[in-house]
Amino acid sequence: DADVTQTPRNRITKTGKRIMLECSQTKGHDRMYWYRQDPGLGLRLIYYSFDVKDINKGEISDGYSVSRQAQAKFSLSLESAIPNQTALYFCATAGAAAYTQYFGPGTRLTVL
Amino acid sequence: GESVGLHLPTLSVQEGDNSIINCAYSNSASDYFIWYKQESGKGPQFIIDIRSNMDKRQGQRVTVLLNKTVKHLSLQIAATQPGDSAVYFCAENKATSGSRLTFGEGTQLTVNP
Repeated sequence: DADVTQTPRNRITKTGKRIMLECSQTKGHDRMYWYRQDPGLGLRLIYYSFDVKDINKGEISDGYSVSRQAQAKFSLSLESAIPNQTALYFCATAGAAAYTQYFGPGTRLTVL
Repeated sequence: GESVGLHLPTLSVQEGDNSIINCAYSNSASDYFIWYKQESGKGPQFIIDIRSNMDKRQGQRVTVLLNKTVKHLSLQIAATQPGDSAVYFCAENKATSGSRLTFGEGTQLTVNP
């Protein structure tokens, strides 16, 4: 079984809709991250969390919000989706060696 | 601004040859540099890292070289195999930024049989 899972794997939605992407991990890691990947570009950090009481903005947090429901669960929400949020979204976790991050399989989101 | 970027977007090699993937960075304050491999349809996978006080580190078939003088990082893959075909990203981490990683744009490695 995968250590980091993301649901859904693919989602097509319309402008203005609220969308939630979910991430679960079985690695027992405290640190969790949400990244966005656009074609031909590297990953950009949206939000990250060091534990259930700690949430931090990344470099592109505008238009997104997150919730850390438990150590194992970290969800990303788009309150009102817009077309330029069409991208591949990755969740990642890290333990003590925080620079070694473990990524989920990604969610492909299309906003029409 | 500070950034991590790659010299070439694509690299094509013959199976069995050695591959060298390059990365330039501009933030000399980074503590770790990391290489990730991303296969089609999958999330990035950790390959190898190097601490900023080192200039070389070897793993299984991979070697990372760090030249702080010219702010250059490279990943060498020995005896490249078809399964090595993927996009390779370099990333940097500053201890003072917590565990935030800054990723480069990626190099697509294609291994020809």
